[in-house]
Amino acid sequence: QVQLQESGPGLVKPSQTLSLTCTVSGGSISSGDYYWSWIRQHPGKGLEWIGYIYYSGTTYYNPSLKSRVTIALDASMKQFSLRLSSVTAADTAVYYCARTDILTGHYQVPVWGQGTLVTVSS
Amino acid sequence: SSELTQEPAVSVALGQTVTITCQGDSLRPYHASWYQQKPGQAPVLVNYGENNRPSGIPDRFSGSSSGNTASLTITGAQAEDEADYYCNSRDSSGNHLVFGGGTKLTVL
Repeated sequence: QVQLQESGPGLVKPSQTLSLTCTVSGGSISSGDYYWSWIRQHPGKGLEWIGYIYYSGTTYYNPSLKSRVTIALDASMKQFSLRLSSVTAADTAVYYCARTDILTGHYQVPVWGQGTLVTVSS
Repeated sequence: SSELTQEPAVSVALGQTVTITCQGDSLRPYHASWYQQKPGQAPVLVNYGENNRPSGIPDRFSGSSSGNTASLTITGAQAEDEADYYCNSRDSSGNHLVFGGGTKLTVL
C-alpha cells in the first residue's frame, strides 16, 4: 500500500520560496506507470493542479503557475519536491502530494498525501 | 489548458438517486475521474475510466459519459455520501490535469 507524506514549513513569508517534500513509502517511485503530482486547495475552494514529474525527470506545470514552479524527484530518497517562488497571500493553501496513474492514458489520482497547510504571512 | 464545469450544489433525499455532471471539451478524448472529499480530509478517488471503482468503494457509485459530459451517479444515497465531489481529466493538450470546480452534495 503506497503512502505519501508531505513535509515542510507551514509558514512562509511573502516574496520568499515555498518548499515542500513528499516521501513515498510502500512502493516504487521509479515506475513508468505514474506521474508524481502536487495539487493545492485554497481555503474553502476547489482543487488546483500545480504540476507533476515523471520518474525520468520530465515535468509538466499548470500554465498559470509555470513561471514560479519547480518540481524535482530524488529516486534514491524516494522523494519528490515542490518549490514555488515569489509567494503571496494568494498562495496560502493546503498542498497535497499525490500519485497520478497514467497507464490507461486516462489519468486518475488514487493516492494522496494527507495534505499540509502552508500559510503565506509576514 | 481547458476547463471542467460542475454544478456548485446538489441535494438528494436519503436513499434516492442523484447524478452529478462535469462538462468540458477535454472529456471528448479523455475519461473523467471522480473524487469525494469530506471536510478536513484528502480527496478519495471513487470512480474513473469507463466506470471503474477502486477497491473499497461501494457499487452505488457509478460513472458514465456522453460527448463532452461525464456523470457520477449515486444510487441509493447514504448520509455518509454528503461531501464535495470533484471531477478531473487530462486537459485538451493531454499534458496537464484539470479539475472541475466541485459539487457540494447534501443528503436530506
